Amino acid sequence: NAGVTQTPKFRILKIGQSMTLQCTQDMNHNYMYWYRQDPGMGLKLIYYSVGAGITDKGEVPNGYNVSRSTTEDFPLRLELAAPSQTSVYFCATQGQGGGYTDTQYFGPGTRLTVL
Amino acid sequence: QKEVEQNSGPLSVPEGAIASLNCTYSDRGSQSFFWYRQYSGKSPELIMSIYSNGDKEDGRFTAQLNKASQYVSLLIRDSQPSDSATYLCAVFQAGTALIFGKGTTLSVSS
Repeated sequence: NAGVTQTPKFRILKIGQSMTLQCTQDMNHNYMYWYRQDPGMGLKLIYYSVGAGITDKGEVPNGYNVSRSTTEDFPLRLELAAPSQTSVYFCATQGQGGGYTDTQYFGPGTRLTVL
Repeated sequence: QKEVEQNSGPLSVPEGAIASLNCTYSDRGSQSFFWYRQYSGKSPELIMSIYSNGDKEDGRFTAQLNKASQYVSLLIRDSQPSDSATYLCAVFQAGTALIFGKGTTLSVSS
């Protein structure tokens, strides 16, 4: 049981390049989230999904896109990378109901630098 | 803008002391409250959750919630150097997702 896995662990992009951050979970959780964490800051929600085929914007969605075709996978796409997207990206999942008592489980993160 | 506020610290305590971490939130409709611990370079991990007013104890950790004051705190008794980390307060609001504070950095000196 791997929990939540993210790939890659590290990546350096040039301005204007694109990439996809992968997130996979084997916990059969409906709710999945993408956060970014800048140095000395808390986590800011980028996008979230309440199930396959359903996604919604969080606090900071600009410059990102997501899709959710299966329960297990929730990839985050960066188009036209900018230095402001340099951050650590965390994927998280939450239990079946996404309810207020459910714990969120985080992946190990992807550290992205845009130069 | 719904906000969760924490003192960024650093909060420095000697080994064996009680560390007190505080958090305030702006939305009175918030339903549940979480404390996550994050070691440098690692992902957050849940250490406490609390949903009702009052205290909730788990080992050396005690979470306290006062919804009238929109205040939640975390006490760490008998602090150990291994407790040195950033502690993130998170608040769940129905229909959205967890809202995180910026975190308080705790340093426990031996």
